[in-house]
Amino acid sequence: DIQMTQSPSSLSASVGDRVTLTCRASQGISNYLAWYQQKPGKVPKLLIYAASTLQSGVPSRFSGSGSGTDFTLTISCLQPEDFATYYCQNYNSAPLTFGQGTRVEIK
Amino acid sequence: EVQLVESGGGLVKPGGSLRLSCVLSGSTFSNVWMSWVRQAPGKGLEWVGRIKSKKDGETTDFAAPAKGRFTISRDDSINTVYLQMNSVKTEDTAVYYCTRGAPSGSFYDYWGLGALVTVSS
Repeated sequence: DIQMTQSPSSLSASVGDRVTLTCRASQGISNYLAWYQQKPGKVPKLLIYAASTLQSGVPSRFSGSGSGTDFTLTISCLQPEDFATYYCQNYNSAPLTFGQGTRVEIK
Repeated sequence: EVQLVESGGGLVKPGGSLRLSCVLSGSTFSNVWMSWVRQAPGKGLEWVGRIKSKKDGETTDFAAPAKGRFTISRDDSINTVYLQMNSVKTEDTAVYYCTRGAPSGSFYDYWGLGALVTVSS
């Protein structure tokens, strides 16, 4: 099974900061990588798929990059509503797997 | 508007069985691959399994913890997918989300609100 490792597990940042989250796959998954945002008590929301394609309706301050084993999610200018937990997901082949999440907290 | 609505959650004893249902509305059901994702209290997301469309063989895949104990089935006539959970364990306690696989890949563009399953004696 492909393991997905996210780093850091949590980070503190301020409104307006640029933040970068990392996701690493234990073996190559091409660009079959999605990112989700989950706020406390809410359902996960798809942000990015195919490693870098922004889901419709998602603000352009979110961007994704990477291919193979190393991927990043960047928030260019952190907004108050962006404080949440972010998960990457491998969908290259079953069993599909999620990373353990990165919690973005207010500094 | 696409909606997913789960039902069937509740309290079940270890070793028991439970069946979750999920109805998809606002979208063609027969062509989509449907999945279940769970989240234990205070923990991250965990993929449980999926069922492909009938035209893709209606085959299923499961994560290791679910293999041999859980089954997924679908009834395209009523836009419903099921998760049959047998021989449940306390570690199966979680919110179970029904998800729709996007047309272009097995990522999830729509999620249900979730069904809480509590395994306890």
